[in-house]
Amino acid sequence: GEDVEQSLFLSVREGDSSVINCTYTDSSSTYLYWYKQEPGAGLQLLTYIFSNMDMKQDQRLTVLLNKKDKHLSLRIADTQTGDSAIYFCAESKGSNYQLIWGAGTKLIIKP
Amino acid sequence: KAGVTQTPRYLIKTRGQQVTLSCSPISGHRSVSWYQQTPGQGLQFLFEYFSETQRNKGNFPGRFSGRQFSNSRSEMNVSTLELGDSALYLCASRLVTASPNTGELFFGEGSRLTVL
Repeated sequence: GEDVEQSLFLSVREGDSSVINCTYTDSSSTYLYWYKQEPGAGLQLLTYIFSNMDMKQDQRLTVLLNKKDKHLSLRIADTQTGDSAIYFCAESKGSNYQLIWGAGTKLIIKP
Repeated sequence: KAGVTQTPRYLIKTRGQQVTLSCSPISGHRSVSWYQQTPGQGLQFLFEYFSETQRNKGNFPGRFSGRQFSNSRSEMNVSTLELGDSALYLCASRLVTASPNTGELFFGEGSRLTVL
């Protein structure tokens, strides 16, 4: 099938690391993305990784890609209350970059 | 640079009515996509327009339609509204000629439709 799968919820304590996981289906995907949606807002691209990379780091964010297992993860170091949001994983298909989306993981921060 | 603008932000309709939503993409972006977001179904792709032509289409009934104008602004229309059409409708634009072309989508804040 074409499903991109994510857990629906993740709860972490403020200051801890958050790891949001995603499995995708198309081994020919060119790019894989993490989008963030804050309450009442549209989605915003958080980071992306090209399919020939294993890891990408950007400040507090680390993306890991395991192509063999079709597994993508997003690690947020030192999680803050402002990180509370829904995080969507997506893979691109074809030359038109049609995206297949996961259902989104709601990140809940405990004080 | 102005972001993606969607109007109206909120609207309430009754079953059987129709609705038109508008989206103005970022200047220079010629691709506009529409998504339906509901708590139960997540983010569902409706269609994508590029240079006034529908390029991709999701699995929605014919009651859902769209169009794009020569200035890249887009509208989507839902006819004969049903209760299940209550959702947040998101528009996203993309710069097709970006280099490198990462396929990044820029989203508007959405139009929240409630059908009573």
